[in-house]
Amino acid sequence: GDSVTQMEGPVTLSEEAFLTINCTYTATGYPSLFWYVQYPGEGLQLLLKATKADDKGSNKGFEATYRKETTSFHLEKGSVQVSDSAVYFCALRDNTDKLIFGTGTRLQVFP
Amino acid sequence: KAGVTQTPRYLIKTRGQQVTLSCSPISGHRSVSWYQQTPGQGLQFLFEYFSETQRNKGNFPGRFSGRQFSNSRSEMNVSTLELGDSALYLCASSSGQLGGSTDTQYFGPGTRLTVL
Repeated sequence: GDSVTQMEGPVTLSEEAFLTINCTYTATGYPSLFWYVQYPGEGLQLLLKATKADDKGSNKGFEATYRKETTSFHLEKGSVQVSDSAVYFCALRDNTDKLIFGTGTRLQVFP
Repeated sequence: KAGVTQTPRYLIKTRGQQVTLSCSPISGHRSVSWYQQTPGQGLQFLFEYFSETQRNKGNFPGRFSGRQFSNSRSEMNVSTLELGDSALYLCASSSGQLGGSTDTQYFGPGTRLTVL
């Protein structure tokens, strides 16, 4: 079945460092891809999405490009802030329209 | 536009009891999906309701059930609670347009259920 694999966390960075969180997927067809973020004690917030190959989703300085050839959707940010500390989930929407999530990657940013 | 709301936010029950959780979707959204989040299993899909009908179902036992009302509000019920049912239960709403590239699921804050 469809699946999403994310890099293990936690990812620990200093403020203003460059961030990459790897995400790869296995799916039939060409699913829509998403990044969600979860702050402590809260639900999931949509961060960005891409619906077809070569699309780039972006929001709040975060970017991810839908790479069909490598089945990847890596999340990047050029300069992280302490307020970016959270858990990040990569997800795909399968052909029944349900979301399949990766295990999540905890990001910790220190001043 | 108001977001997805879930009630209650926190709940403590004992084994064998049953529980009902509520979710109100974003105005105009007709689809509500439920997910269970646990440290061990991560985020897992429970079921989806669209126009008062269950349209999709995950791999959970029959103790987990749900329904949707004509105003799109949804409830989830868990009967005969087990310790392993302790989790954060998230609901998400969307327009429900199947295969629509612009359709996105928006999540509520979740209900934290603790089973003692």
